[in-house]
Amino acid sequence: DSGVTQTPKHLITATGQRVTLRCSPRSGDLSVYWYQQSLDQGLQFLIQYYNGEERAKGNILERFSAQQFPDLHSELNLSSLELGDSALYFCASGGNNQPQHFGDGTRLSIL
Amino acid sequence: GQQVMQIPQYQHVQEGEDFTTYCNSSTTLSNIQWYKQRPGGHPVFLIQLVKSGEVKKQKRLTFQFGEAKKNSSLHITATQTTDVGTYFCAGPVAGTASKLTFGTGTRLQVTL
Repeated sequence: DSGVTQTPKHLITATGQRVTLRCSPRSGDLSVYWYQQSLDQGLQFLIQYYNGEERAKGNILERFSAQQFPDLHSELNLSSLELGDSALYFCASGGNNQPQHFGDGTRLSIL
Repeated sequence: GQQVMQIPQYQHVQEGEDFTTYCNSSTTLSNIQWYKQRPGGHPVFLIQLVKSGEVKKQKRLTFQFGEAKKNSSLHITATQTTDVGTYFCAGPVAGTASKLTFGTGTRLQVTL
């Protein structure tokens, strides 16, 4: 158990819809990272938040946004969903030259 | 931007054979981390190397960081079926301490 909690585990929705993925970091970790992993692909960094503020951005689409709340949990919002957005979305916490600890991921399927 | 490549992409070995994956960065890294992702699972941290030329061992796994801090390798001696998964290296993006660039990964399949 990594201590990072992601919900939901699975999400099935249709094109054009909007979804919200949720992540609670390990106790004591201030950073949250979001990654996208498509089938048989590597981990694509999307965005990082540190103590409520955006710290780094990767290849995140404009249709995607995230935020980190005062209790340090984070949400990743995906809108105007397309078939190509189907993927595993991981949240991780930790970092800053220390290991990142990953949650179990949310599997998003767009029909 | 920074790129981290791994070879091979995929390797299939028989149980008991050795396995090595190589990681090459386009830029010098302050440290390198290795993660393992089992099929259907999430990446799990294995180890971090910091010093030039550093070698670390974890049972049958040997990790090495190159002298120029641009490449690394993971060697598994006498593979077991429990070693199945994808191995990723990752290094901090230049100028950051926290944002990681993950390698392309090497998928290891082990059969009896």
